[in-house]
Amino acid sequence: GENVEQHPSTLSVQEGDSAVIKCTYSDSASNYFPWYKQELGKGPQLIIDIRSNVGEKKDQRIAVTLNKTAKHFSLHITETQPEDSAVYFCAAHTPGGGNKLTFGTGTQLKVEL
Amino acid sequence: DAGVIQSPRHEVTEMGQEVTLRCKPISGHDYLFWYRQTMMRGLELLIYFNNNVPIDDSGMPEDRFSAKMPNASFSTLKIQPSEPRDSAVYFCASSGFNTGELFFGEGSRLTVL
Repeated sequence: GENVEQHPSTLSVQEGDSAVIKCTYSDSASNYFPWYKQELGKGPQLIIDIRSNVGEKKDQRIAVTLNKTAKHFSLHITETQPEDSAVYFCAAHTPGGGNKLTFGTGTQLKVEL
Repeated sequence: DAGVIQSPRHEVTEMGQEVTLRCKPISGHDYLFWYRQTMMRGLELLIYFNNNVPIDDSGMPEDRFSAKMPNASFSTLKIQPSEPRDSAVYFCASSGFNTGELFFGEGSRLTVL
């Protein structure tokens, strides 16, 4: 089955700096890669996603890049703010598995003032 | 829409007791997922349903775990008998057909003493 690895497990940045979280996946058939943000005491919430026919996608301060050849994808957050502090999960979807997602192990992002 | 609704939000029980977690998915969604979240293992998919039918229960850890979806608006996850290692946050999520995005509930935090 699909295996998703995520790094780093914790990340601390100064407000205004950029943050980058990286994930790799194992199944070359995977074609959909969402990123979820989980705030304390809540369920994960989708913040951005990318499909395998696209190399990059941007939404305001967040962007995701995908390298299909290397089987890795990354989340980029620019001009970080305290409210960006949360746990971020990457995930991969493999065709034939319904809407089943395999999640990475999460990155605790802390944005310091 | 009220989103995915889970109950109870918190449950503390003693080893050996039966635990039932409940979920009401978003109306119109075809898929329902049960995830377990722990520090050690992250987000693990336990089981998912499509149109009320269990599709993949390979993540259910043991026979002590069972899940049902008697209709499109209700699902249960039952643990009988519960053990301390079952302590975790259990999330229910739903999604529409082929949309990709999972909508998570706020989770049920289970503590087994």
